[in-house]
Amino acid sequence: IAGITQAPTSQILAAGRRMTLRCTQDMRHNAMYWYRQDLGLGLRLIHYSNTAGTTGKGEVPDGYSVSRANTDDFPLTLASAVPSQTSVYFCASSQGNTGELFFGEGSRLTVL
Amino acid sequence: GQNIDQPTEMTATEGAIVQINCTYQTSGFNGLFWYQQHAGEAPTFLSYNVLDGLEEKGRFSSFLSRSKGYSYLLLKELQMKDSASYLCAAMDSNYQLIWGAGTKLIIKP
Repeated sequence: IAGITQAPTSQILAAGRRMTLRCTQDMRHNAMYWYRQDLGLGLRLIHYSNTAGTTGKGEVPDGYSVSRANTDDFPLTLASAVPSQTSVYFCASSQGNTGELFFGEGSRLTVL
Repeated sequence: GQNIDQPTEMTATEGAIVQINCTYQTSGFNGLFWYQQHAGEAPTFLSYNVLDGLEEKGRFSSFLSRSKGYSYLLLKELQMKDSASYLCAAMDSNYQLIWGAGTKLIIKP
C-alpha cells in the first residue's frame, strides 16, 4: 500500500529555474494539500484542492501553482525558484474535511 | 488573527508521564488535532477532539476545553520511540488546519 508518493525526495535547484514537485495518492481521497515546513514555524498551507478540477490558495501561495487534473495527482510548480523557497514540502490528502491528513514523505528543496 | 501556541521543547524520562499543552485562537472552530512527527519523517495523525473532555487512545490521551481555547496531549509510560515532535492543529470555520510550530519531546533513559 503506497498511500502518498512524492518525488523527488530531495533536490538542489539554481535560482530562476522552474521545478515541479510530484504528488500521487492511491487512496481515492478527494482533498489534497501542499504544505511547506520551515524550522520554527508550523506547517503552512500553499495550495489545496477539495476535489478533482478545483484548486484554492492557502496561506502562502505566491510563487507556486498547482493543478488537479484527476483524483490521484496534485503537482506543485515553482515557476522561477527563489532562495526563500528553500524548505521541506509535504503533500497530504484527506477524505473530505476530516482533518485527518495522510502525508507523503516530503521533498527537501534547496534553492541556491 | 489565528494562532496556535505550544512549547518549543520538552524533556521527560523513559517510563514517566508528560503533558504537552496547546492554546489556540481561530476564526471558528471545527476540531483540535494532534500529530506526531519523527525527525526527518512525515507527520502522522494521533488524535482528534471536537467536544470538551478527554479522549483516550492507549498510552496517549488528548484533552480539549473549548471555552479556554486549550488542549493537551498526555503521553504515559514513555518509551524512547516517543521522542518526536508533536504538532497541535486547530481547524477553523473554513475547515482549514492552523498549525502550531510543534513541541520537540526528548526522552531520556
